[in-house]
Amino acid sequence: AQSVTQLDSQVPVFEEAPVELRCNYSSSVSVYLFWYVQYPNQGLQLLLKYLSGSTLVESINGFEAEFNKSQTSFHLRKPSVHISDTAEYFCAVTWMDSSYKLIFGSGTRLLVRP
Amino acid sequence: DAGVTQSPTHLIKTRGQHVTLRCSPISGHKSVSWYQQVLGQGPQFIFQYYEKEERGRGNFPDRFSARQFPNYSSELNVNALLLGDSALYLCASSLLDKNYGYTFGSGTRLTVV
Repeated sequence: AQSVTQLDSQVPVFEEAPVELRCNYSSSVSVYLFWYVQYPNQGLQLLLKYLSGSTLVESINGFEAEFNKSQTSFHLRKPSVHISDTAEYFCAVTWMDSSYKLIFGSGTRLLVRP
Repeated sequence: DAGVTQSPTHLIKTRGQHVTLRCSPISGHKSVSWYQQVLGQGPQFIFQYYEKEERGRGNFPDRFSARQFPNYSSELNVNALLLGDSALYLCASSLLDKNYGYTFGSGTRLTVV
């Protein structure tokens, strides 16, 4: 079955420290990969995506993620976090045999402390 | 340009009642998808509509139904509400039927009491 795993339900980190949020998916069949961010009482905002090409993708606010096909992973990283990065982060995958839908992980709450 | 708009933003219903949630996609987007997000979990796929046709359905009971109108807006209907239907319902739109990066609305928070 197709599934997305985010092993860390919560990641506490101090401001200006680096962070990595982990994401693994169940199959190496052709996929599109996404990270969404959700602030309290809001919908989902697309942070970055991998469709094809370079395996390293970047967002405008300093996050990056790397597609690793052999490890079926798409971990999210930021070298220096800010208080404003505190939010819930969801990894999501679209498999090409069901390209109309996203399957989400359970989310990781990033808590940035001063 | 307006993003994906959903209405209402919040509502409270009683068990057994019926509810209709509405979604207007980004102008020019022909695909609308619905997701259910229970508190503390990731969103779960309910439906996708493209060009007014159902293209996919998630693992939800027949109490859940949807449709897409000629202007590409969409409604999600849930009959015989259960307490477990309490959730944030998210609508997402995209230009095409395949997912190259959906844009989500802010959601409708449904509470069933």
